[in-house]
Amino acid sequence: SQQGEEDPQALSIQEGENATMNCSYKTSINNLQWYRQNSGRGLVHLILIRSNEREKHSGRLRVTLDTSKKSSSLLITASRAADTASYFCATDADNTGKLIFGQGTTLQVKP
Amino acid sequence: DTAVSQTPKYLVTQMGNDKSIKCEQNLGHDTMYWYKQDSKKFLKIMFSYNNKELIINETVPNRFSPKSPDKAHLNLHINSLELGDSAVYFCASSQVGEETQYFGPGTRLLVL
Repeated sequence: SQQGEEDPQALSIQEGENATMNCSYKTSINNLQWYRQNSGRGLVHLILIRSNEREKHSGRLRVTLDTSKKSSSLLITASRAADTASYFCATDADNTGKLIFGQGTTLQVKP
Repeated sequence: DTAVSQTPKYLVTQMGNDKSIKCEQNLGHDTMYWYKQDSKKFLKIMFSYNNKELIINETVPNRFSPKSPDKAHLNLHINSLELGDSAVYFCASSQVGEETQYFGPGTRLLVL
């Protein structure tokens, strides 16, 4: 299967703590994206990192990419209850828009 | 204003029926997609259209037929529905040259 893997599958933390999610993928990529899905909703794009980048920041989000290990991590700092959602990584191998999604990490942030 | 919209939001139907899901985007994007998300949240691309032309067609049963009447609309018709078709179907769109995809709210299909 081309599907990537995310770990952990589920994560429960207290508000204010940091949350780290990891994603591994199988093929070479052009870019890797992270999406958030709130319960019962569609996916929302969070951040994109290109294959020639190693780290990227956006607000409280920090993404790293290690192409030699075919892995990425998403760090959410100072988490809030509103960050409770599922987080998916998605890889694009050839810029066709064919995104291959990981299995997702379900994050619960307790107030 | 909703950027990517889908109708219906919920669809409950019997096995063997034929149903359609509609998608519209008002972002002016050229490319639209259909994804299927199963009960384990596994999300997989099904089809992609660029300016009404099919460009991605994953291994999907031919009971599924996408139709794009214009670049703002991409509909999904499903014939002879099976229990395994129960899932959430997401439409998405993107602009040519940009990697970010914008997703609709999903259509929850339940086949009984």
